[in-house]
Amino acid sequence: GENVEQHPSTLSVQEGDSAVIKCTYSDSASNYFPWYKQELGKGPQLIIDIRSNVGEKKDQRIAVTLNKTAKHFSLHITETQPEDSAVYFCAADQAGTALIFGKGTTLSVSS
Amino acid sequence: DAMVIQNPRYQVTQFGKPVTLSCSQTLNHNVMYWYQQKSSQAPKLLFHYYDKDFNNEADTPDNFQSRRPNTSFCFLDIRSPGLGDAAMYLCATSTMNTEAFFGQGTRLTVV
Repeated sequence: GENVEQHPSTLSVQEGDSAVIKCTYSDSASNYFPWYKQELGKGPQLIIDIRSNVGEKKDQRIAVTLNKTAKHFSLHITETQPEDSAVYFCAADQAGTALIFGKGTTLSVSS
Repeated sequence: DAMVIQNPRYQVTQFGKPVTLSCSQTLNHNVMYWYQQKSSQAPKLLFHYYDKDFNNEADTPDNFQSRRPNTSFCFLDIRSPGLGDAAMYLCATSTMNTEAFFGQGTRLTVV
């Protein structure tokens, strides 16, 4: 089955700085790679996703890049704000259905 | 309006006493998932339904069962909860190879 590795486990940045979180996956058949943000006591919420036929996708301050050959994808957050502080999870699809999650990155943005 | 609804939000059960968690969706998605999330960890897939087709993860304990009586509802049954089963249980829905929508979760406490 699919295995997803995520780094770093914690990340602290100053407000206005950029943050980068990286993930690798094992199953070359995976085609869908979402990123979720989870705030304390809430379920994960999708912030951006990318499919294997695209190398990069951007939505305002958030971007995701995918290198299918190397089997890794990254989340980039620019101009970070305190409200970006949360746990971020990457995921990859397993056999086109279930999502397998990375272990999560706790992002802290200090003002 | 909430699209994936989990009840209850908080559940306390006694050691060894069967407990059922419920999930309903208004999205008419054909895939429904149950994840277990322990403190500061990634969501771990327990099983998922693709329509009525049940898919159990290999390492999901036999203590965990699931029922999906119709498209809208899915239940997680824990036959004999142990202290190690205390966690947040997340329900999610999706269509094939698309964004998964999560509920707010049920936090289970075992006493």
